Amino acid sequence: QVQLVQSGAEVKKPGASVKVSCKASGYTFTGYYMHWVRQAPGQGLEWMGWINPNSGGTNYAQNFQGRVTMTRDTSISTAYLELSRLRSDDTAVYYCARPLLTTMTNMGYWGQGTLVTVSS
Amino acid sequence: QSALTQPASVSGSPGQSITISCTGTSSDVGGYDYVSWYQQHPGKAPKLMIFEVSNRPSGVSNRFSGSKSGNTASLTISGLQAEDEADYYCSSYTSSSTLVFGGGTKLTVL
Repeated sequence: QVQLVQSGAEVKKPGASVKVSCKASGYTFTGYYMHWVRQAPGQGLEWMGWINPNSGGTNYAQNFQGRVTMTRDTSISTAYLELSRLRSDDTAVYYCARPLLTTMTNMGYWGQGTLVTVSS
Repeated sequence: QSALTQPASVSGSPGQSITISCTGTSSDVGGYDYVSWYQQHPGKAPKLMIFEVSNRPSGVSNRFSGSKSGNTASLTISGLQAEDEADYYCSSYTSSSTLVFGGGTKLTVL
């Protein structure tokens, strides 16, 4: 069965960077896009971007351009999200999510989420 | 890309039907049949309930249905049950090959 297992919670200071991992299993990692979505405390879902694990191609939401980098390591079926120049309003749960099918237009499988806390 | 517009809250009694709307533009909801709906219970990851406007993933109850007219998509839940109480989010593919979410709707089962 499809599983996405994310790395553990992080606490960072403002201005630092964070890198969250998402290890995939139960399917061919390079066959499906991977999305990243975040949710600030008490707030709604915010789409951050996608990566095509086959080509490494990415597309980021405008809000995160210049601060976000999505990468992957196909040898270990793992996707990564790196967010730099962290601010207090980046405190959120970060999710990786895989589409249900091979089109990238939805998010059918989700990781358990990684809480990133930004605090001085 | 602006967020899609959803009502902040809706409510209904057990057994009733409710509809949640999701309004976008011709560059997202109106331009593509790639609207999805997600259910999220407190402290849990979201769950895909509807994809490509009206398709249900395997295992999702047929009490959930989706539709679209112009720039507005809708999620209807019939035969409301206590377990349906949750937050619901719509999402759409956009002309920039990105995705965008709605602001979310809190469903209360009275």
